Amino acid sequence: GAVVSQHPSWVICKSGTSVKIECRSLDFQATTMFWYRQFPKQSLMLMATSNEGSKATYEQGVEKDKFLINHASLTLSTLTVTSAHPEDSSFYICSAPTSEPYEQYFGPGTRLTVT
Amino acid sequence: TQLLEQSPQFLSIQEGENLTVYCNSSSVFSSLQWYRQEPGEGPVLLVTVVTGGEVKKLKRLTFQFGDARKDSSLHITAAQPGDTGLYLCAGVKGFKTIFGAGTRLFVKA
Repeated sequence: GAVVSQHPSWVICKSGTSVKIECRSLDFQATTMFWYRQFPKQSLMLMATSNEGSKATYEQGVEKDKFLINHASLTLSTLTVTSAHPEDSSFYICSAPTSEPYEQYFGPGTRLTVT
Repeated sequence: TQLLEQSPQFLSIQEGENLTVYCNSSSVFSSLQWYRQEPGEGPVLLVTVVTGGEVKKLKRLTFQFGDARKDSSLHITAAQPGDTGLYLCAGVKGFKTIFGAGTRLFVKA
């Protein structure tokens, strides 16, 4: 199957700082990538759709100025959590779809802890 | 709103028991995927079903896509502690993937 990586796998930052998370499709190109947030013992919550070369599409209730998404190439999307607060602490997961068949492949996730 | 209802939400069983997880929707999907997620990791794709009525087997796991491509089931035979995890179904419609809420399975030794 296709491989998606995420970096870092975990990060601890202080309140008020910004954190960047990278998502890479290693063996395929993805014009679209997806960013999810997952709280303990819950399912995935789609935050936004990252579109290569254009603006991301955010789900209702997700602050686009707080969660900056950049999809500068066909293999890399980044999520920057700006001015992080403790309530932003969560497990962030990205996915990238293959085209034929259309299947989502997930990264291993990034555990963000804001102190 | 396109919903994919997954049941049960939580299941705790003894090793050796069988179980079935269901995903149901009023929408028709072009394909449906099943994922398994372990704590602290990303979901891992188990299978994709495409054709109505399709049945796929992966060792002790049997996946079925409904004839009308609106629902799917995952059956696990003789569950083992290693099957413990969060199981997610995901329906694909166009370029949109809709996830079920997940079934958290715990298999006790």
